[in-house]
Amino acid sequence: NAGVTQTPKFQVLKTGQSMTLQCAQDMNHNSMYWYRQDPGMGLRLIYYSASEGTTDKGEVPNGYNVSRLNKREFSLRLESAAPSQTSVYFCASSQPPGQINQPQHFGDGTRLSIL
Amino acid sequence: QQPVQSPQAVILREGEDAVINCSSSKALYSVHWYRQKHGEAPVFLMILLKGGEQKGHDKISASFNEKKQQSSLYLTASQLSYSGTYFCGTGPMNTGFQKLVFGTGTRLLVSP
Repeated sequence: NAGVTQTPKFQVLKTGQSMTLQCAQDMNHNSMYWYRQDPGMGLRLIYYSASEGTTDKGEVPNGYNVSRLNKREFSLRLESAAPSQTSVYFCASSQPPGQINQPQHFGDGTRLSIL
Repeated sequence: QQPVQSPQAVILREGEDAVINCSSSKALYSVHWYRQKHGEAPVFLMILLKGGEQKGHDKISASFNEKKQQSSLYLTASQLSYSGTYFCGTGPMNTGFQKLVFGTGTRLLVSP
C-alpha cells in the first residue's frame, strides 16, 4: 500500500536552477496539497488542488508553480530556485470521492537545499 | 492566520499526562491533530468537527470548543512512543476538502 509517493527524497540545487518535485497518490483522493516545512514554522500551504483540473494558491505561493497532471499526480515546480526556498516539502492528499472531513495523508517529504 | 499552540515544548516522564492547546482567532469548523516524529512525515491522529466533539485514540483524546475557538489534545499515561511534534490544523469552513492552516507545533519528549 504505497499511499503518497514523493520524488526525489533529497536534492541540492544552485541558485537560479529549476526543478520539479513529483507527487503521486494511489488512494483515489480528489484533493492534493503541497506544503513546506521550515524549523519553527510548522507546515505552510504552498498550493492545493481541490479536485482534478483545479489548482489554487495557498499561504506562500510566490516562486512556485503547480500542475495537477491527472487525478493521481500533482507536481511542484521551482522556476528559479532561491536560498529562501531551502526547506522540506511535503505532498499530501485527502477526500475519497463522496466523503468530507477526511484526514490528509502525507508523503515522506523532499529535503531541498539551495546553495 | 496560524493557530497558536501551547506549550511550545514539554518534557514528560513515562506515565505522566500532558495537555496541548490550539487556539485560533478565526471561527472554526474542524480541527485536525497530527504527530510527526523527527525526519518523518506527519501522521494523522484525529479530526474534531463543530459541535463540541470529544474523540479518543488509544490513550490520546481531544476536545473542541468552537465558542472559544480552541481545541485541546490530552495525552494520558504517556509512552515513549508519544515523543514527537504535535500539530493542530484548523479548517475554517465546511468544504468538501480540508484547506487547513497548521500551528507551529508542540514538541513532546517522553523519557523513561
